[in-house]
Amino acid sequence: DQQVKQNSPSLSVQEGRISILNCDYTNSMFDYFLWYKKYPAEGPTFLISISSIKDKNEDGRFTVFLNKSAKHLSLHIVPSQPGDSAVYFCAASARGTYKYIFGTGTRLKVLA
Amino acid sequence: KAGVTQTPRYLIKTRGQQVTLSCSPISGHRSVSWYQQTPGQGLQFLFEYFSETQRNKGNFPGRFSGRQFSNSRSEMNVSTLELGDSALYLCASSPHRLSSGRDRTDTQYFGPGTRLTVL
Repeated sequence: DQQVKQNSPSLSVQEGRISILNCDYTNSMFDYFLWYKKYPAEGPTFLISISSIKDKNEDGRFTVFLNKSAKHLSLHIVPSQPGDSAVYFCAASARGTYKYIFGTGTRLKVLA
Repeated sequence: KAGVTQTPRYLIKTRGQQVTLSCSPISGHRSVSWYQQTPGQGLQFLFEYFSETQRNKGNFPGRFSGRQFSNSRSEMNVSTLELGDSALYLCASSPHRLSSGRDRTDTQYFGPGTRLTVL
């Protein structure tokens, strides 16, 4: 049972445009969400997180939106750069479970 | 500060063998978690160690085990290897166990992984 789903395995975007990566979850107990970026031959790198008490968190070019009623979060990258080309994973955690549940990832390709 | 290191980076084994992977967390980090990454499955949680004790376990068979030492370094062992165990094994560390407060800010820092191939 996949509790965290990234339904788009891949996404291509032109440099300078907005990249929107989506993530859906099924467990209403999740209260903390994160996005990680992964380059080949490297471990995932933390990008941005959001607690369930917020609906938006920004960090530079990266913004994460959380829609609790729809159990949906999205990562916006503006403007997209070729160096953003990587696999993006969303992850979620429920209070007291002490672990993250990851989605299957979305491969983003930013075209120059 | 040095990042999370994992050894070896690549490993080739045959079915039935066993393997031990090592993870050194960031200095001062006490929590170490292990994940298995396979194509199409994302990162699957294996287990978490904190203060030398396994605190949390994912849905993996008993062939997968681990331990943590007093210096927080951790090892993961897989016995009786199967072809399906071929994967990237990632270790992640954090200063403490994931928090449970309402305004959480914790995260995990990942190592580069060990690529295990079972033939």
